Amino acid sequence: GAVVSQHPSRVICKSGTSVKIECRSLDFQATTMFWYRQFPKQSLMLMATSNEGSKATYEQGVEKDKFLINHASLTLSTLTVTSAHPEDSSFYICSAPLAGADTQYFGPGTRLTVL
Amino acid sequence: LAKTTQPISMDSYEGQEVNITCSHNNIATNDYITWYQQFPSQGPRFIIQGYKTKVTNEVASLFIPADRKSSTLSLPRVSLSDTAVYYCLVGEVYNQGGKLIFGQGTELSVKP
Repeated sequence: GAVVSQHPSRVICKSGTSVKIECRSLDFQATTMFWYRQFPKQSLMLMATSNEGSKATYEQGVEKDKFLINHASLTLSTLTVTSAHPEDSSFYICSAPLAGADTQYFGPGTRLTVL
Repeated sequence: LAKTTQPISMDSYEGQEVNITCSHNNIATNDYITWYQQFPSQGPRFIIQGYKTKVTNEVASLFIPADRKSSTLSLPRVSLSDTAVYYCLVGEVYNQGGKLIFGQGTELSVKP
């Protein structure tokens, strides 16, 4: 099946620093990717839609200047958490739909801990 | 996007069949029903998808009544490794831009 990877799988950073998370579709091209955030014992919350070659679309309540998304190629989307604070600590997951399939494939997730 | 309602948690024992029902009263004509499984600290994994009647694959079965206002995921003979959260999602993968809105999910606990 289609594979989506994320890097890093785990990151710990100091408050005030920026962290970049990569999402790659390994064996298919994805003009659209999605970013989710998941807090402990909660469901996934859609943050934004990443569009190759154009600006990302953010869900209501998600700060676009805080969570920078860049979809530079058909296989790579990046999420940068700028000036991270402890409340940004969460599990970040990306997904990508596979053309011709009525489903999406999810990455393994990135655990961000902000000290 | 149709809202879904599932039981928050379920308990089962190894070897039993588990049925998880999801309500989606506002499902639209073009919506598909998709179930995902998520283990702790992992991304969701696709289990099964259907539009109407019954769908079966090597992992599970999905039963959808004629009115499509609900669906039931059936896991035959569960094992301890089936302990996970199961999400029911309703929507069109592409016509809605591919957005998937996750509900609370059902936390399934399989005991020995």
